[in-house]
Amino acid sequence: KNEVEQSPQNLTAQEGEFITINCSYSVGISALHWLQQHPGGGIVSLFMLSSGKKKHGRLIATINIQEKHSSLHITASHPRDSAVYICAVDYNNNDMRFGAGTRLTVKP
Amino acid sequence: DAGVTQSPTHLIKTRGQQVTLRCSPISGHKSVSWYQQVLGQGPQFIFQYYEKEERGRGNFPDRFSARQFPNYSSELNVNALLLGDSALYLCASSLVSGRYEQYFGPGTRLTVT
Repeated sequence: KNEVEQSPQNLTAQEGEFITINCSYSVGISALHWLQQHPGGGIVSLFMLSSGKKKHGRLIATINIQEKHSSLHITASHPRDSAVYICAVDYNNNDMRFGAGTRLTVKP
Repeated sequence: DAGVTQSPTHLIKTRGQQVTLRCSPISGHKSVSWYQQVLGQGPQFIFQYYEKEERGRGNFPDRFSARQFPNYSSELNVNALLLGDSALYLCASSLVSGRYEQYFGPGTRLTVT
């Protein structure tokens, strides 16, 4: 069982739809990251969270430390948002654990 | 400013051979981490180095080793390659060790035949 669980595994949306990707983890962490990976492998860090909520453009990330849960929201989705979104958590021993990713496809 | 760079981009090796992958962090970043991403899965943590010292190690066999140089660049070595070592190897750098944003390189795709 992966220590970091993401849902859904795959998500198809129409352009303009509001999207939510969820991430749950099993033990206490020092920080949580949301990453975006495009075909070809390049990874971009979207957010790093240790509490509360962050917003960047159409992207919003929230984290609930007590419930060990985080969500990534995309408002007004666009085909260029199509990518794999990965949740990763930092443990205090400098270990970083990753979810399996959510493959998002946004259709025009 | 240049981002994280990795070399080579692609590599094909035969079972039993050894491979060295290289990573140059963003200028000013002192921490480098290595990850293995098998096709269809999320990355797995291999090593973290900070100030030339190993600060973290994932669950990988001793065939995997790494080092960090005085200029903070890093090498990942894998000995006695197995077919299962075929993966995308990602390097990420951050300013310091700990809870800081990581910047990822483009990766090295290793194929073991």
